[in-house]
Amino acid sequence: GAVVSQHPSWVICKSGTSVKIECRSLDFQATTMFWYRQFPKQSLMLMATSNEGSKATYEQGVEKDKFLINHASLTLSTLTVTSAHPEDSSFYICSARRRRGAKNIQYFGAGTRLSVL
Amino acid sequence: AQTVTQSQPEMSVQEAETVTLSCTYDTSESDYYLFWYKQPPSRQMILVIRQEAYKQQNATENRFSVNFQKAAKSFSLKISDSQLGDAAMYFCAYKGQGAQKLVFGQGTRLTINP
Repeated sequence: GAVVSQHPSWVICKSGTSVKIECRSLDFQATTMFWYRQFPKQSLMLMATSNEGSKATYEQGVEKDKFLINHASLTLSTLTVTSAHPEDSSFYICSARRRRGAKNIQYFGAGTRLSVL
Repeated sequence: AQTVTQSQPEMSVQEAETVTLSCTYDTSESDYYLFWYKQPPSRQMILVIRQEAYKQQNATENRFSVNFQKAAKSFSLKISDSQLGDAAMYFCAYKGQGAQKLVFGQGTRLTINP
């Protein structure tokens, strides 16, 4: 099966600092990666879609300058939460879609719990 | 815009029994894909089953099967012989033929009673 690795699984940071979350497709090339945010007991909210080598497409209401997404290779995408504040505390999940033979399936990472103090 | 509705916030079932989770969606497209994902307490999203709209045959994966009613825009998930490990949040999701992103429903929390 396709494996997506997400690190770190949990991060605590001080208000005003930046945090980077990595998402890697371990055994396949991902043309497209997605970043979601999930609040407790709620569904996944898509933040942005990232295609390798191009700028991410952000969903309405998501601050581009706050949530920086880089998809520099076919196996790695990063989400940087800049100048984090307590309201940014949440569960962030990435997913990736294969380059070929996709069957339109997204494979998900295990998520990152961000706590901003 | 497409929407996905899961009308059952919570469901429970006795171990070894069968349970059906409901999902309806709204779309004007004729070609699309539907998915059921499971999110256990670990919060790792796991694909349970996938259905292509052009296929009339309902998808099955071991104890999991769907009832896909295209005209009614309904896509329910049946779990047979429920096991304790089936306890999780279940999300129904839609993807248009030409789209990249998934549209998720609100989720249904499934509890398995021993």
